[in-house]
Amino acid sequence: LAKTTQPISMDSYEGQEVNITCSHNNIATNDYITWYQQFPSQGPRFIIQGYKTKVTNEVASLFIPADRKSSTLSLPRVSLSDTAVYYCLVGDFPSNTGKLIFGQGTTLQVKP
Amino acid sequence: DAGITQSPRHKVTETGTPVTLRCHQTENHRYMYWYRQDPGHGLRLIHYSYGVKDTDKGEVSDGYSVSRSKTEDFLLTLESATSSQTSVYFCAISETSFANEQFFGPGTRLTVL
Repeated sequence: LAKTTQPISMDSYEGQEVNITCSHNNIATNDYITWYQQFPSQGPRFIIQGYKTKVTNEVASLFIPADRKSSTLSLPRVSLSDTAVYYCLVGDFPSNTGKLIFGQGTTLQVKP
Repeated sequence: DAGITQSPRHKVTETGTPVTLRCHQTENHRYMYWYRQDPGHGLRLIHYSYGVKDTDKGEVSDGYSVSRSKTEDFLLTLESATSSQTSVYFCAISETSFANEQFFGPGTRLTVL
C-alpha cells in the first residue's frame, strides 16, 4: 500500500491561497491520488481526484508532478469555513487491488 | 447528499455487552465500509464489503464482525464491547472501488463504559 506523508497542521488567513503537499514516494502505476475534507462531527467529503498533471474543479486544484511522488492540493482564497482536516490518499483504481489508508490528515486553521 | 443513514447515532453501553451498528444506503452502491475514528489516529478501516455476503477485513478488524445480507444494509457487530472500542464509527459507500469517491454517513458515537 502506498503510504502518504502530509503536514500535521497548517495555518492561513482568509483570502489567501493554501497549498497542502502530500508525499507518496512508493505510489504504484495504477494508483490515483484523492483528497478528502472533514469538518468536526462530520464524515469526510470527497474534494478532488487525479492521476497526473493538473485537475481543477469548483472547489480546488490538484497538482501532480511527472514523477507522481508528491501532490499538492491548492485551495484558492480560503475562508473561515475551509477550516477542516484534509486527507491525502492514494489508491488502486479501477482494479481495486488495494485499500485506502486515510492517515491523520492535515488540520487547516483559517484565521480572520 | 448520498442517501446514507447510520443507527443509532449515539450509544452508551457497558463492557462485555454485544453491540450492533447499522448502515443503510439508498444509492445501490456495491461497496460499503466501516471506519473508526479516534484522536491521533485519523480514520481506520475496520471491515468492508464488495457485494452481498462478500466482506473482508480492514486495518483494525480484531473484535469486530460484519454482515451484509442485502445491498442496502451493512451491519457492524462488537461481540463483546471493550473500552478500547469507544470511538466514532463512520459508514461509507462507493460505487465501484476503494479509490472511487466514497460517501460517508453521519457517524455513530459509541461509548463503552
